[in-house]
Amino acid sequence: DAGITQSPRHKVTETGTPVTLRCHQTENHRYMYWYRQDPGHGLRLIHYSYGVKDTDKGEVSDGYSVSRSKTEDFLLTLESATSSQTSVYFCAIGLAGEYEQYFGPGTRLTVT
Amino acid sequence: GESVGLHLPTLSVQEGDNSIINCAYSNSASDYFIWYKQESGKGPQFIIDIRSNMDKRQGQRVTVLLNKTVKHLSLQIAATQPGDSAVYFCAESTNFGNEKLTFGTGTRLTIIP
Repeated sequence: DAGITQSPRHKVTETGTPVTLRCHQTENHRYMYWYRQDPGHGLRLIHYSYGVKDTDKGEVSDGYSVSRSKTEDFLLTLESATSSQTSVYFCAIGLAGEYEQYFGPGTRLTVT
Repeated sequence: GESVGLHLPTLSVQEGDNSIINCAYSNSASDYFIWYKQESGKGPQFIIDIRSNMDKRQGQRVTVLLNKTVKHLSLQIAATQPGDSAVYFCAESTNFGNEKLTFGTGTRLTIIP
């Protein structure tokens, strides 16, 4: 998975609790992305980062925030988890000027 | 709005035969297309890409065809093997410098032994 790790790999949490997912890369790629994957929807972009402290919203950003204080780490936070946020979350990385993205192994999140 | 979709959600192919997976896109400004393979429990893996100034690109056992006139993309896999069983996604992007991809919903390819 191209030097990308995600933690945790599995998590079960209760509605209303905050949750933070971590993506760590060893490739020194400038761009990092968070996607969610749900049946019938494919991969949808939540947030992305184009550098340290530089982030922007994707198409499904409501209820999520991100932070990138170091090149290698990109954190996704669900401020108050809801059942609709039950999903598989993928992190991806990419080089500036290149469209190809490399994906991590995913985190399966269940909100009960 | 913009969309990237697939004609068929599932495809079953006999081992050794060729597979063709189709993808339609609606954004005429898209200039880059990419195919990913996703095996069960894993993240998507890059297969092949193509830019809009090309009609065809070949890789190892895979070929991508682009028809800009009808906004159609296809992935051909030659001599399919059991390891080709996976979900295949197409994605597209526009050359606006944001390095973002829009993904289709995926096609599940099953290889029959």
